[in-house]
Amino acid sequence: GAGVSQSPRYKVAKRGQDVALRCDPISGHVSLFWYQQALGQGPEFLTYFQNEAQLDKSGLPSDRFFAERPEGSVSTLKIQRTQQEDSAVYLCASSGRVGGLGTGELFFGEGSRLTVL
Amino acid sequence: GESVGLHLPTLSVQEGDNSIINCAYSNSASDYFIWYKQESGKGPQFIIDIRSNMDKRQGQRVTVLLNKTVKHLSLQIAATQPGDSAVYFCAEKKGDFQKLVFGTGTRLLVSP
Repeated sequence: GAGVSQSPRYKVAKRGQDVALRCDPISGHVSLFWYQQALGQGPEFLTYFQNEAQLDKSGLPSDRFFAERPEGSVSTLKIQRTQQEDSAVYLCASSGRVGGLGTGELFFGEGSRLTVL
Repeated sequence: GESVGLHLPTLSVQEGDNSIINCAYSNSASDYFIWYKQESGKGPQFIIDIRSNMDKRQGQRVTVLLNKTVKHLSLQIAATQPGDSAVYFCAEKKGDFQKLVFGTGTRLLVSP
């Protein structure tokens, strides 16, 4: 497709379960970001990839969160032993640029809504 | 700490009115600001951006104003339409490309 695609759109997990969220960025986009958006809040940065390299993971809230992009295209965000506070929308965004953010270059997917019971 | 925030959580306007959404930022080192629109169940969508060396930028029906003296950013929407109803976020780039800092958002409600 033409845009950033995320799956699943909705995920309900029992506390303690592991979940995996997938992001298909726009074809050819070098940069990929994951953001977490709690209800009624703005997105918060989690991690950033440039091709397959994870250059910044400072926003990951705990070591239960892990992200990968092994071939520099599709990315997966994995959350182990989910907790209720992990409930949020997880947004993926991609950009064709490496640096020097400019006009409208970050394209967001529709997000994966995670609910932990 | 450094933050990007909004003065009004909800703004209600009539169709055809002009809307102004405000945002305060605290990091004087920020060099790039963006306004995003987010409709229910969707990801943020780029509206307009502005660099710190500018004080005004215009797009189609939208204008962003930047006042660095008081660290204030605003989004003006002309002739607001029901389709403009959404949550609007301002965001700032904190010097490195990777991290956009978003505010908490303002909900715009447009009545026909």
